[in-house]
Amino acid sequence: KQEVTQIPAALSVPEGENLVLNCSFTDSAIYNLQWFRQDPGKGLTSLLLIQSSQREQTSGRLNASLDKSSGRSTLYIAASQPGDSATYLCAVRPLDSSYKLIFGSGTRLLVRP
Amino acid sequence: DAGVIQSPRHEVTEMGQEVTLRCKPISGHNSLFWYRQTMMRGLELLIYFNNNVPIDDSGMPEDRFSAKMPNASFSTLKIQPSEPRDSAVYFCATSILGAKNIQYFGAGTRLSVL
Repeated sequence: KQEVTQIPAALSVPEGENLVLNCSFTDSAIYNLQWFRQDPGKGLTSLLLIQSSQREQTSGRLNASLDKSSGRSTLYIAASQPGDSATYLCAVRPLDSSYKLIFGSGTRLLVRP
Repeated sequence: DAGVIQSPRHEVTEMGQEVTLRCKPISGHNSLFWYRQTMMRGLELLIYFNNNVPIDDSGMPEDRFSAKMPNASFSTLKIQPSEPRDSAVYFCATSILGAKNIQYFGAGTRLSVL
């Protein structure tokens, strides 16, 4: 059974710092991996999607990498800002499903001014 | 497009009452998902519809939960009778089924069952 783990559960950093969020999954048979952002009281917003054949994806100050063989992904946030404060979730889509997403429990990020 | 619209945003009810949550998907999206989010269990898929047909309801916790999608513009999740352990945030998400299948989430309904 696929399990997705995110460490740490919470992270507090000063503004301007570069940071890395981690996601690990137990079954490498995945179609893709997504990183989402969730603001308090709001739904999830997709940030980056990495197909299983890709190594990384970039969007602005965000860079996500994928090492499928080791079951790991990282989300790198450069020059963090207070507006980056949110919960970040990763989710994998199993190879045998056209629709299912298995979510991690998220990392709650606080960027202090 | 206004995105996925869920109502109500907050619902407080007493144990035993019927609760109906509503979702209006993004126009043109043919897949709809209902999720439940709790601190203990995280985000769980309850049911998945494709072209208004329920495809996977294996995540529906028990018979007290039911979901319908009478047309491409509307879906409901009903809990009858509600119990305190049903307290959670319920999300609706929609997508166009395809290679990427990026899901777009509504803002959620926070349900409190007293």
